[in-house]
Amino acid sequence: QVQLVQSGAEVKKPGSSVKVSCKTSGYTFGTYGITWVRQAPGQGLEWMGVIIPILGTPNYAQRFQGRVTITTDESTKTVYMEVDSLRSDDTAIYYCARQWQGGSLAYWGQGTLVTVSS
Amino acid sequence: EIVMTQSPATLSVSPGERATLSCRANESVSINVAWYQQKPGQPPTLLIYGASTRATGIPARFSGSGSGTQFTLTINSLQSEDFAVYYCQQYSKWPVYTFGQGTKLDSK
Repeated sequence: QVQLVQSGAEVKKPGSSVKVSCKTSGYTFGTYGITWVRQAPGQGLEWMGVIIPILGTPNYAQRFQGRVTITTDESTKTVYMEVDSLRSDDTAIYYCARQWQGGSLAYWGQGTLVTVSS
Repeated sequence: EIVMTQSPATLSVSPGERATLSCRANESVSINVAWYQQKPGQPPTLLIYGASTRATGIPARFSGSGSGTQFTLTINSLQSEDFAVYYCQQYSKWPVYTFGQGTKLDSK
């Protein structure tokens, strides 16, 4: 069965970076896009970016361009999402999700809480 | 960027009744819309894709409709487990697929 397992919670200082991993299994890695979505405390879902591993080029929401980097490691079937220059308003749960039909997201990781605090 | 606007922000409905949630896009997204349910402390669950196709294992009381800019999620005979937050998402304009701000469905 399809599984996405994310790395554990992180506490970071403002101005630092965080890298969250999403290890996939149960399907052919590379042929389905992996999307990153975040959710600030008590807030809604925010689409951040996507990568289709077989194509290799990530795409980002405009507000995250230049500050977020999505990469893949085909050998471990893992997708990474790094956020630079962290601010307090980056405090959120970060989810990875695998695309299903079109861009719908049928499979989700458990989420990774990133707390940015001095 | 396509903006998805959900209404109402909060909907109070009695168990056993019907709930109707709306989602509007600021430009046509054809039928490239998905609906998700999210319960506290959990990731979202895909309910509907292609505006009206139920995802695997989703009960028939959930139905989606609409095309272009107006979409509706209907939940018939509300069960206690249906009280949650619901999000619509458009995936029409590659590569940026935006979410609505959510509708909280609570029990009257």
